[in-house]
Amino acid sequence: DQQVKQNSPSLSVQEGRISILNCDYTNSMFDYFLWYKKYPAEGPTFLISISSIKDKNEDGRFTVFLNKSAKHLSLHIVPSQPGDSAVYFCAASALSSGSARQLTFGSGTQLTVLP
Amino acid sequence: SQTIHQWPATLVQPVGSPLSLECTVEGTSNPNLYWYRQAAGRGLQLLFYSVGIGQISSEVPQNLSASRPQDRQFILSSKKLLLSDSGFYLCAGGTASYEQYFGPGTRLTVT
Repeated sequence: DQQVKQNSPSLSVQEGRISILNCDYTNSMFDYFLWYKKYPAEGPTFLISISSIKDKNEDGRFTVFLNKSAKHLSLHIVPSQPGDSAVYFCAASALSSGSARQLTFGSGTQLTVLP
Repeated sequence: SQTIHQWPATLVQPVGSPLSLECTVEGTSNPNLYWYRQAAGRGLQLLFYSVGIGQISSEVPQNLSASRPQDRQFILSSKKLLLSDSGFYLCAGGTASYEQYFGPGTRLTVT
Protein backbone atom coordinates (compact mmCIF):
# COMPACT_ATOMS: atom_id res chain seq x y z
CA ASP A 1 0.00 0.00 0.00
CA GLN A 2 1.62 3.22 -1.21
CA GLN A 3 1.02 5.86 1.42
CA VAL A 4 2.78 8.57 -0.59
CA LYS A 5 2.07 8.75 -4.30
CA GLN A 6 3.63 10.73 -7.10
CA ASN A 7 1.41 9.88 -10.03
CA SER A 8 3.47 11.61 -12.71
CA PRO A 9 6.68 9.73 -13.42
CA SER A 10 7.95 12.54 -15.63
CA LEU A 11 7.45 16.22 -16.41
CA SER A 12 8.99 18.46 -19.07
CA VAL A 13 9.01 22.23 -18.75
CA GLN A 14 10.53 25.06 -20.76
CA GLU A 15 13.31 27.05 -19.12
CA GLY A 16 11.96 30.11 -17.33
CA ARG A 17 8.47 28.68 -16.89
CA ILE A 18 6.93 27.22 -13.74
CA SER A 19 7.39 23.57 -12.79
CA ILE A 20 4.66 22.04 -10.63
CA LEU A 21 5.31 18.66 -9.05
CA ASN A 22 2.47 16.93 -7.26
CA CYS A 23 2.23 14.46 -4.41
CA ASP A 24 -0.73 12.78 -2.70
CA TYR A 25 -0.80 10.90 0.59
CA THR A 26 -3.28 8.61 2.27
CA ASN A 27 -2.09 8.47 5.89
CA SER A 28 -3.84 11.18 7.89
CA MET A 29 -1.23 10.79 10.64
CA PHE A 30 1.45 12.40 8.45
CA ASP A 31 2.25 15.81 9.83
CA TYR A 32 5.50 16.79 8.15
CA PHE A 33 6.34 16.76 4.47
CA LEU A 34 9.60 17.13 2.59
CA TRP A 35 10.86 17.40 -0.97
CA TYR A 36 14.17 15.96 -2.08
CA LYS A 37 16.04 16.34 -5.36
CA LYS A 38 18.17 13.53 -6.76
CA TYR A 39 20.68 13.44 -9.59
CA PRO A 40 21.68 10.07 -11.11
CA ALA A 41 24.16 8.03 -9.06
CA GLU A 42 24.00 10.51 -6.17
CA GLY A 43 22.16 10.63 -2.87
CA PRO A 44 19.03 12.79 -2.58
CA THR A 45 19.48 16.33 -1.29
CA PHE A 46 16.94 18.01 0.93
CA LEU A 47 15.12 20.91 -0.75
CA ILE A 48 12.27 22.22 1.34
CA SER A 49 9.78 21.05 3.94
CA ILE A 50 6.44 22.00 5.43
CA SER A 51 4.68 21.25 8.68
CA SER A 52 1.00 20.34 8.68
CA ILE A 53 0.21 23.49 10.64
CA LYS A 54 1.13 25.56 7.57
CA ASP A 55 -0.25 25.62 4.05
CA LYS A 56 2.72 27.24 2.32
CA ASN A 57 6.46 27.47 2.72
CA GLU A 58 8.77 29.38 0.41
CA ASP A 59 12.53 29.28 -0.10
CA GLY A 60 13.85 31.26 -3.03
CA ARG A 61 12.57 29.73 -6.27
CA PHE A 62 10.95 26.82 -4.42
CA THR A 63 7.50 26.92 -2.81
CA VAL A 64 5.66 24.01 -1.26
CA PHE A 65 1.88 24.10 -0.86
CA LEU A 66 -0.04 21.77 1.43
CA ASN A 67 -3.78 21.05 1.16
CA LYS A 68 -4.56 18.87 4.17
CA SER A 69 -8.22 18.33 3.36
CA ALA A 70 -7.25 16.95 -0.05
CA LYS A 71 -4.16 15.19 1.32
CA HIS A 72 -2.18 16.82 -1.43
CA LEU A 73 1.03 18.79 -1.66
CA SER A 74 2.84 20.38 -4.53
CA LEU A 75 6.26 21.84 -5.22
CA HIS A 76 6.48 24.92 -7.43
CA ILE A 77 9.76 25.93 -9.02
CA VAL A 78 9.81 29.41 -10.54
CA PRO A 79 11.58 30.14 -12.79
CA SER A 80 12.72 26.67 -13.85
CA GLN A 81 16.36 26.29 -14.86
CA PRO A 82 18.13 23.49 -16.77
CA GLY A 83 20.06 22.64 -13.59
CA ASP A 84 16.75 21.77 -11.94
CA SER A 85 16.51 18.68 -14.15
CA ALA A 86 16.52 15.78 -11.68
CA VAL A 87 14.23 13.31 -9.96
CA TYR A 88 12.12 14.91 -7.24
CA PHE A 89 10.90 12.83 -4.32
CA CYS A 90 8.10 13.72 -1.97
CA ALA A 91 8.39 12.33 1.57
CA ALA A 92 6.20 12.35 4.66
CA SER A 93 6.59 11.62 8.34
CA ALA A 94 4.38 11.25 11.37
CA LEU A 95 5.06 12.46 14.89
CA SER A 96 3.71 9.09 15.97
CA SER A 97 6.79 7.43 14.43
CA GLY A 98 8.57 8.61 17.55
CA SER A 99 12.23 9.50 17.78
CA ALA A 100 13.07 7.44 14.69
CA ARG A 101 11.47 10.09 12.44
CA GLN A 102 10.92 7.59 9.64
CA LEU A 103 10.19 9.02 6.21
CA THR A 104 7.90 7.44 3.65
CA PHE A 105 8.91 8.35 0.10
CA GLY A 106 6.96 8.60 -3.11
CA SER A 107 8.24 6.96 -6.29
CA GLY A 108 9.63 10.21 -7.69
CA THR A 109 9.02 12.48 -10.68
CA GLN A 110 11.70 13.07 -13.31
CA LEU A 111 11.74 16.78 -14.13
CA THR A 112 13.36 17.85 -17.39
CA VAL A 113 13.83 21.57 -17.97
CA LEU A 114 14.34 22.27 -21.65
CA PRO A 115 16.62 25.16 -22.66
CA SER B 1 25.80 20.18 9.44
CA GLN B 2 26.26 16.47 9.16
CA THR B 3 28.09 14.66 6.36
CA ILE B 4 27.35 11.06 5.43
CA HIS B 5 30.15 8.95 4.01
CA GLN B 6 29.49 5.70 2.17
CA TRP B 7 31.73 3.27 0.38
CA PRO B 8 32.30 1.75 -2.04
CA ALA B 9 30.60 3.80 -4.75
CA THR B 10 30.06 0.76 -6.96
CA LEU B 11 30.25 -2.95 -6.30
CA VAL B 12 29.79 -6.02 -8.46
CA GLN B 13 29.34 -9.24 -6.53
CA PRO B 14 28.44 -12.80 -7.58
CA VAL B 15 25.29 -14.49 -6.31
CA GLY B 16 25.93 -16.22 -3.00
CA SER B 17 28.80 -13.97 -1.94
CA PRO B 18 28.73 -11.90 1.27
CA LEU B 19 28.18 -8.16 1.44
CA SER B 20 29.33 -5.42 3.75
CA LEU B 21 28.54 -1.76 3.10
CA GLU B 22 29.72 0.84 5.54
CA CYS B 23 28.34 4.25 6.40
CA THR B 24 29.88 6.80 8.74
CA VAL B 25 28.58 10.15 9.92
CA GLU B 26 30.46 13.37 10.60
CA GLY B 27 29.31 16.52 12.29
CA THR B 28 26.79 15.23 14.79
CA SER B 29 26.52 12.78 17.65
CA ASN B 30 23.80 10.24 18.43
CA PRO B 31 22.17 10.54 15.01
CA ASN B 32 19.32 8.41 13.77
CA LEU B 33 20.70 6.30 10.94
CA TYR B 34 18.87 4.71 8.01
CA TRP B 35 19.54 2.32 5.14
CA TYR B 36 17.42 2.69 2.00
CA ARG B 37 17.38 0.87 -1.30
CA GLN B 38 16.33 2.31 -4.63
CA ALA B 39 15.57 -0.33 -7.23
CA ALA B 40 15.74 0.72 -10.89
CA GLY B 41 12.95 3.21 -11.67
CA ARG B 42 11.51 2.98 -8.19
CA GLY B 43 11.29 5.12 -5.08
CA LEU B 44 13.29 4.83 -1.88
CA GLN B 45 12.49 1.84 0.28
CA LEU B 46 13.46 2.02 3.95
CA LEU B 47 15.32 -1.15 4.92
CA PHE B 48 16.63 -0.51 8.44
CA TYR B 49 16.86 2.30 10.93
CA SER B 50 18.71 2.80 14.20
CA VAL B 51 18.17 5.30 17.00
CA GLY B 52 21.28 4.26 18.94
CA ILE B 53 24.23 1.89 19.26
CA GLY B 54 23.10 -1.72 18.93
CA GLN B 55 19.47 -0.70 18.24
CA ILE B 56 18.28 -1.86 14.83
CA SER B 57 14.76 -1.90 13.46
CA SER B 58 13.93 -3.72 10.26
CA GLU B 59 11.22 -2.48 7.95
CA VAL B 60 11.25 -5.18 5.30
CA PRO B 61 11.99 -8.90 5.82
CA GLN B 62 14.80 -9.80 3.47
CA ASN B 63 18.21 -11.24 2.91
CA LEU B 64 19.97 -8.32 4.54
CA SER B 65 20.92 -7.29 8.07
CA ALA B 66 22.25 -4.14 9.68
CA SER B 67 24.44 -3.34 12.64
CA ARG B 68 25.49 -0.22 14.50
CA PRO B 69 28.70 -1.00 16.38
CA GLN B 70 29.53 2.67 17.07
CA ASP B 71 27.51 5.85 17.43
CA ARG B 72 28.37 7.14 13.96
CA GLN B 73 28.84 3.86 12.07
CA PHE B 74 26.12 1.87 10.35
CA ILE B 75 26.79 -1.34 8.43
CA LEU B 76 24.60 -3.19 5.94
CA SER B 77 25.42 -6.88 5.48
CA SER B 78 24.38 -10.05 3.80
CA LYS B 79 25.71 -13.58 4.19
CA LYS B 80 24.63 -14.65 0.69
CA LEU B 81 23.59 -12.19 -1.97
CA LEU B 82 20.64 -12.81 -4.28
CA LEU B 83 20.10 -11.35 -7.74
CA SER B 84 17.19 -9.35 -6.31
CA ASP B 85 19.58 -7.56 -3.93
CA SER B 86 20.86 -5.45 -6.84
CA GLY B 87 20.08 -1.77 -6.47
CA PHE B 88 21.28 1.57 -5.26
CA TYR B 89 21.85 1.61 -1.49
CA LEU B 90 21.68 4.83 0.43
CA CYS B 91 22.62 5.63 3.99
CA ALA B 92 21.00 8.63 5.67
CA GLY B 93 21.35 10.40 8.98
CA GLY B 94 18.90 12.49 10.92
CA THR B 95 18.50 14.17 14.28
CA ALA B 96 15.52 15.36 16.26
CA SER B 97 14.17 17.21 13.24
CA TYR B 98 12.55 15.43 10.35
CA GLU B 99 15.15 16.18 7.69
CA GLN B 100 17.42 13.32 6.72
CA TYR B 101 20.73 13.81 4.97
CA PHE B 102 21.93 11.23 2.51
CA GLY B 103 25.28 9.81 1.54
CA PRO B 104 26.41 9.43 -2.08
CA GLY B 105 25.11 5.86 -2.36
CA THR B 106 26.49 2.48 -3.45
CA ARG B 107 25.49 0.92 -6.75
CA LEU B 108 25.39 -2.87 -6.12
CA THR B 109 25.13 -5.27 -9.02
CA VAL B 110 24.72 -8.93 -8.20
CA THR B 111 25.66 -11.16 -11.13
